[in-house]
Amino acid sequence: GQNIDQPTEMTATEGAIVQINCTYQTSGFNGLFWYQQHAGEAPTFLSYNVLDGLEEKGRFSSFLSRSKGYSYLLLKELQMKDSASYLCAAYNTDKLIFGTGTRLQVFP
Amino acid sequence: DTAVSQTPKYLVTQMGNDKSIKCEQNLGHDTMYWYKQDSKKFLKIMFSYNNKELIINETVPNRFSPKSPDKAHLNLHINSLELGDSAVYFCASSQDHPGRGYTFGSGTRLTVV
Repeated sequence: GQNIDQPTEMTATEGAIVQINCTYQTSGFNGLFWYQQHAGEAPTFLSYNVLDGLEEKGRFSSFLSRSKGYSYLLLKELQMKDSASYLCAAYNTDKLIFGTGTRLQVFP
Repeated sequence: DTAVSQTPKYLVTQMGNDKSIKCEQNLGHDTMYWYKQDSKKFLKIMFSYNNKELIINETVPNRFSPKSPDKAHLNLHINSLELGDSAVYFCASSQDHPGRGYTFGSGTRLTVV
């Protein structure tokens, strides 16, 4: 079967670091995506990992372990504008399969 | 300049009606998709088309019929609307191997009353 799990909600303080975990089980795995979605808006692409390891892009980094079916998104120096939902998605041969998303609230 | 545009942005209609949502992308992508996002924010794929050809049909009721007149357009027609069809519908597009991810439209919030 196909299953993607991530926490439903997280909170953090401005300036802090937060790690959002995602575990997945899919057939035909071809990479792991992270998307950001602000309320009422479209999801926007953040990162793509296909090989094991850490990909860093500014304040955001994403990690993948294919053998463990595990990924995380690391957000550093949190800003208020980072309050959003973060969607983990596994690319399965021909489509993206999304998790339910993690709603992150950043407090001052 | 919008990369993936869908219309309308909001749609309120009565049960039993038939409605259409239009989507166009100007990115030159080969593949287009329809996703449904329910009230719990779960994004689920419905259909995908590659160069006007249906690739994915994810056990969606046949009241939903996608149409792709060319590779830049993918429209969604829904017959006999039901209350449970209320959701946000997102159109998206990608290259054949989406290493840069999908580009999503801004969504159509459908409310069936």
